[in-house]
Amino acid sequence: DTAVSQTPKYLVTQMGNDKSIKCEQNLGHDTMYWYKQDSKKFLKIMFSYNNKELIINETVPNRFSPKSPDKAHLNLHINSLELGDSAVYFCASSHLTTHPYEQYFGPGTRLTVT
Amino acid sequence: SQQGEEDPQALSIQEGENATMNCSYKTSINNLQWYRQNSGRGLVHLILIRSNEREKHSGRLRVTLDTSKKSSSLLITASRAADTASYFCATVPTGTASKLTFGTGTRLQVTL
Repeated sequence: DTAVSQTPKYLVTQMGNDKSIKCEQNLGHDTMYWYKQDSKKFLKIMFSYNNKELIINETVPNRFSPKSPDKAHLNLHINSLELGDSAVYFCASSHLTTHPYEQYFGPGTRLTVT
Repeated sequence: SQQGEEDPQALSIQEGENATMNCSYKTSINNLQWYRQNSGRGLVHLILIRSNEREKHSGRLRVTLDTSKKSSSLLITASRAADTASYFCATVPTGTASKLTFGTGTRLQVTL
């Protein structure tokens, strides 16, 4: 049973395009996150939603827009893709009230912008 | 800015040996966690140590925390080839409920 799933696993696209990455969790968690891992493996938080409300919004270009239709889903839409957006994007989830600190990660989406 | 620095960046040992990884951080924390990432996979939570704890054990894992030095170490005893992965420390700064700040990671290679 997949706990946190992401689609697609790989995404290759050209500069200037708009793309979306989807994330779903079946753990009953109330908080979801997006992280970006660069080529040096450095992992940095981008956004976090708690019960569909944005609670963490790091310094990220406004070309990146997260959307949470419900507690189990957090999608990431990226407009006007740039070469520097190439990275692995990870979705994660946690239960803020019971185990706020332990996060469960998805398998990642490797985005390559050419 | 980046919170944690890990040392060493890479570590190669033989099966059965112990592996020790260190993490240093910059600000006061609520807790510190260690995660493992296998190649091409997501991160897996290993262990959490709170700021008022000094040592914690889980199976073959031993974590220490020294808040005065703002540092932590992860010891994996009797390593196995399956322990080959990248290991990351992550801190939750004081006053933030869920914001994890990751270190740079240590790549561990365990050979037969």
